[in-house]
Amino acid sequence: QSVLTQSPSASGTPGQKVSISCSGSGSNIGINKVDWYQQLPGTAPKLVMHSNDQRPSGVPDRFSGSKSGTSASLAISGLQSEDEADYYCAAWDASLNGLLFGGGTKLTVL
Amino acid sequence: EVQLVQSGAEVKKPGESLRISCRGSGYNFNNNWINWVRQMPGKGLEWMGRIDPTDSHTNYIPSFQGHVIISVDTSISTAYLQWNSLQASDTATYYCVANPGKQVWGQGTTVTVSS
Repeated sequence: QSVLTQSPSASGTPGQKVSISCSGSGSNIGINKVDWYQQLPGTAPKLVMHSNDQRPSGVPDRFSGSKSGTSASLAISGLQSEDEADYYCAAWDASLNGLLFGGGTKLTVL
Repeated sequence: EVQLVQSGAEVKKPGESLRISCRGSGYNFNNNWINWVRQMPGKGLEWMGRIDPTDSHTNYIPSFQGHVIISVDTSISTAYLQWNSLQASDTATYYCVANPGKQVWGQGTTVTVSS
């Protein structure tokens, strides 16, 4: 069972803005940076946000990230059909001395 | 091109041993930790552990400690994930991940354990 909690699903129509949240605790998100991954069906995950709000090169600026306290969120504006994927948050956990992933959010573009 | 190339899919029986590999190229393999991530069928991502190629220092999370072994051969820029006795619950896709400036994932190795 993931210690980083994500809603199992989210949805939006093309052009809308959606947000995916990730809730943790003081031993992970509260003291460490958060990364976000996108996983398209049948493919390896891809980093779409690192260090809370930093976009890797090649990731559209429609993607943005934020963190406050022990929670983080990934927002996708101008939703497109190709954004339909599973999204995972991740943060290092000091108690575990390891990386924690959220349970994942399945984003559907209606 | 920076890439990690993993070994091919495996089908094994419970109790058998297995070692899968992950070869890095296009970057300084020794300077970047290699992480291993498990994804069971239809499930989410789980970080298993990592290795520092410089000194082979490893750390695992408790649920994998003692069940898998992560190792590395720097002479061929390759990291390994090994099981001495597979269980059906090891059926999953395993990814290696490194971060030499830009994060890179291997393509995944699917391991199926079934009698």
